[in-house]
Amino acid sequence: AQKVTQAQTEISVVEKEDVTLDCVYETRDTTYYLFWYKQPPSGELVFLIRRNSFDEQNEISGRYSWNFQKSTSSFNFTITASQVVDSAVYFCALRYRNEKLTFGTGTRLTIIP
Amino acid sequence: GAGVSQTPSNKVTEKGKYVELRCDPISGHTALYWYRQSLGQGPEFLIYFQGTGAADDSGLPNDRFFAVRPEGSVSTLKIQRTERGDSAVYLCASSFDSGRTGELFFGEGSRLTVL
Repeated sequence: AQKVTQAQTEISVVEKEDVTLDCVYETRDTTYYLFWYKQPPSGELVFLIRRNSFDEQNEISGRYSWNFQKSTSSFNFTITASQVVDSAVYFCALRYRNEKLTFGTGTRLTIIP
Repeated sequence: GAGVSQTPSNKVTEKGKYVELRCDPISGHTALYWYRQSLGQGPEFLIYFQGTGAADDSGLPNDRFFAVRPEGSVSTLKIQRTERGDSAVYLCASSFDSGRTGELFFGEGSRLTVL
C-alpha cells in the first residue's frame, strides 16, 4: 500500500519569511513518482513539480525548491521569501505502478502581510 | 476555455435523489480521472478512463456511483440515491498520456451538498 503523510495541518508565517512543507511517503515499489500541487481558494489543483524515484537531485524553481531524500522517504517543499499569493493548501502526492495519485491530507499555508 | 471544465460548480440536492456531474477535459487528452475531496482532506481517487473505457474503477465507493465517457472526451459521474455522506467536492482531471509521468490538469470541481 502507498501512503503520503503531511504532518503539518496548518502553517502561518509572516511575509518574506522562508517556510518548509514536509512530506513523507510510503511505498514498496522501487519506481514511483512524487508530486506537489497547490490548491488556491478557487479550488483548482495546480501542478508544481514531478519527481521520479531515480532522480534525487534537488530542484529549484524561482522561490520554490524541493528536497527529495529516499533515505528518509521525504520530499519536502521550501518557499523562500514567501508572498501573500503563496497562501493556499499544498498537497504532496505519490504514484507508482498504477495510474492513481495518492494525496496527502494537505498543509494550509497562510502568509501574513 | 483551454482548461478542464466541470459543471455544475455547485449542486444542492436532497437525500435519495439522483445526481449527474459533468467533466469536459482538455481537448486531445486521452486520460480522464475523477477524484473526491472531502472537507479538510486530500483528493481521493474514484475512477480513471483511458479513452472510452474505465481502466481502473477501484476507487468508486459502492454501486451507487457510476461514470461514463462514451466518446472518449466528456465524462459524466452519476450518483444514485444520494446520501449525506456523498457531500464533497468532486474533481475531474485530464492528462495527455496515461498520466504516469505527466501532469494531471484539474478542474475547479463540482461541490455537491446532500441535505
